[in-house]
Amino acid sequence: RKEVEQDPGPFNVPEGATVAFNCTYSNSASQSFFWYRQDCRKEPKLLMSVYSSGNEDGRFTAQLNRASQYISLLIRDSKLSDSATYLCVVNILTGGGNKLTFGTGTQLKVEL
Amino acid sequence: NAGVTQTPKFQVLKTGQSMTLQCAQDMNHNSMYWYRQDPGMGLRLIYYSASEGTTDKGEVPNGYNVSRLNKREFSLRLESAAPSQTSVYFCASAEGGSSIGYTFGSGTRLTVV
Repeated sequence: RKEVEQDPGPFNVPEGATVAFNCTYSNSASQSFFWYRQDCRKEPKLLMSVYSSGNEDGRFTAQLNRASQYISLLIRDSKLSDSATYLCVVNILTGGGNKLTFGTGTQLKVEL
Repeated sequence: NAGVTQTPKFQVLKTGQSMTLQCAQDMNHNSMYWYRQDPGMGLRLIYYSASEGTTDKGEVPNGYNVSRLNKREFSLRLESAAPSQTSVYFCASAEGGSSIGYTFGSGTRLTVV
């Protein structure tokens, strides 16, 4: 079983739609959680951290359910520029320090 | 601009050749990482360095070596390249706190023929 699992998509949605991505993680020792965005042939960039209480950044809302080991990302009023791959990421503290484990990503295509 | 700089951006190697991928960060981060990204596999950790002077294996270390030259620089070496090492390689750095995400370099696209 992968440590971080995501639906690979692609999700094809019209501009203005609301879209939600889900992610599950297997290691209950995971300490912190993130969503990264990766554009085609570019490096991943931090989109937002995910907090237990849920957090919002403009059109983006992230939620964490530690009991179910489940993370979500909601994008409202989607824009063409939101087209990218969204990576679910968990941070595990080990004896050697912090390590991020990445999901394989969910591809989003926003269309006119 | 502050950030993580990787060189080269592209490289083609013949099987058996060696090369070193360079990575430098100017954010005074303690931790540095090397990942590879392959289609359908996501980003996989090769090696990491939690602080200057320390290195540890990640998920896929075979065929690679690393050097944490100083706090700024963390290099990845392929001693004898194989076609299976064809991939996109990303270097990243982080302050070290568990709540802080990583900053990535722009990647090195390596093809081994």
